[in-house]
Amino acid sequence: GENVEQHPSTLSVQEGDSAVIKCTYSDSASNYFPWYKQELGKRPQLIIDIRSNVGEKKDQRIAVTLNKTAKHFSLHITETQPEDSAVYFCAAPAISSGSARQLTFGSGTQLTVLP
Amino acid sequence: GAVVSQHPSWVICKSGTSVKIECRSLDFQATTMFWYRQFPKQSLMLMATSNEGSKATYEQGVEKDKFLINHASLTLSTLTVTSAHPEDSSFYICSGVAGGFEQYFGPGTRLTVT
Repeated sequence: GENVEQHPSTLSVQEGDSAVIKCTYSDSASNYFPWYKQELGKRPQLIIDIRSNVGEKKDQRIAVTLNKTAKHFSLHITETQPEDSAVYFCAAPAISSGSARQLTFGSGTQLTVLP
Repeated sequence: GAVVSQHPSWVICKSGTSVKIECRSLDFQATTMFWYRQFPKQSLMLMATSNEGSKATYEQGVEKDKFLINHASLTLSTLTVTSAHPEDSSFYICSGVAGGFEQYFGPGTRLTVT
């Protein structure tokens, strides 16, 4: 199956600074990489995703980069705001195991934006 | 975006009783639904994959006789925790897939077993 590792587990930044969270995956056939934001006690919400045919995708202050050769992808948040504080999860599908829609989640990163 | 609901949002039950959690896709047909369990400050752990009209596929270590999953229609999947024990207390989240990769998550159900 797919193995997804996420770092760091906690991240504190000053408001206005950038935050970067990194994930590595093991299944070279994986072709879809979403990032979810989860606030305490709430559902995970998709904030951005990237397919394997592109190296970078941006949506306002959020961007994701993908390096298929190295099998890692990163979430970049610029101009961070207090409302960005949450737990962020990366995920990747287990294509090679036949479960193309099944996602394996990283361990999560608690992001705290200090005012 | 696609909407998934879960009911109940929270439930408290006594040890030894059973609890049923419903997951509904409100504005799309979910050919596949996933059930996750999330303990405090931990990641989402997949319990089982539910496909409409067929038996669920359980992940290693998840007891299929304890966590009964039924996916009777393209908009409804249920998870029944049978003979619940305090260690089953957790946040249970479902998600639905319409056709692509994106999973649409329900709001979760907080189960507390006393």
